[in-house]
Amino acid sequence: NAGVTQTPKFQVLKTGQSMTLQCAQDMNHNSMYWYRQDPGMGLRLIYYSASEGTTDKGEVPNGYNVSRLNKREFSLRLESAAPSQTSVYFCASGDAGQAFYEQYFGPGTRLTVT
Amino acid sequence: GQSLEQPSEVTAVEGAIVQINCTYQTSGFYGLSWYQQHDGGAPTFLSYNGLDGLEETGRFSSFLSRSDSYGYLLLQELQMKDSASYFCAVREGGGGSYIPTFGRGTSLIVHP
Repeated sequence: NAGVTQTPKFQVLKTGQSMTLQCAQDMNHNSMYWYRQDPGMGLRLIYYSASEGTTDKGEVPNGYNVSRLNKREFSLRLESAAPSQTSVYFCASGDAGQAFYEQYFGPGTRLTVT
Repeated sequence: GQSLEQPSEVTAVEGAIVQINCTYQTSGFYGLSWYQQHDGGAPTFLSYNGLDGLEETGRFSSFLSRSDSYGYLLLQELQMKDSASYFCAVREGGGGSYIPTFGRGTSLIVHP
């Protein structure tokens, strides 16, 4: 099992350019999440998908869109990149399970917007 | 909304015991998780408390007091490889939903 995979690992964009970050999981999880991580800020939720066919905004959704393509894949799109979107982006997946819950994170995408 | 408070940095020596505290304010609380993140890496799950009390997993333990809105992560027999950032996260939502909010993280530095 690969777990959670993300592409690309690194990306440099110019202001105004667009791009899509890809995420896939092979653990048959229902829920998937996109976070951004900035120094000293912890992980902040951008969007999440509780189950296939649904998406909802998290704490910091402005400037982003998402698509839950199927149960395995959840993509994050930046339509017009801004320097404030320079960050490390993590995708995660998980399920409530019984009384025990954990999220599995991908390796991250390091994005720089100039 | 939710807010979590945890110390920004903790230092300890190899072999010692260290406790990382987390206090939270949330409108709908269902559980507290802990994650470890090494520099440049992905967060990895350590522990989850849905009920009051202590959960033990090897050298790591986690405690929750719902009445005090407080939890902690206890690391025993510290090793150099435990130097990392540790995040607490609260779970809001129930059933099949899990909306997480993470603290800003505690940087643990283990000295020889």
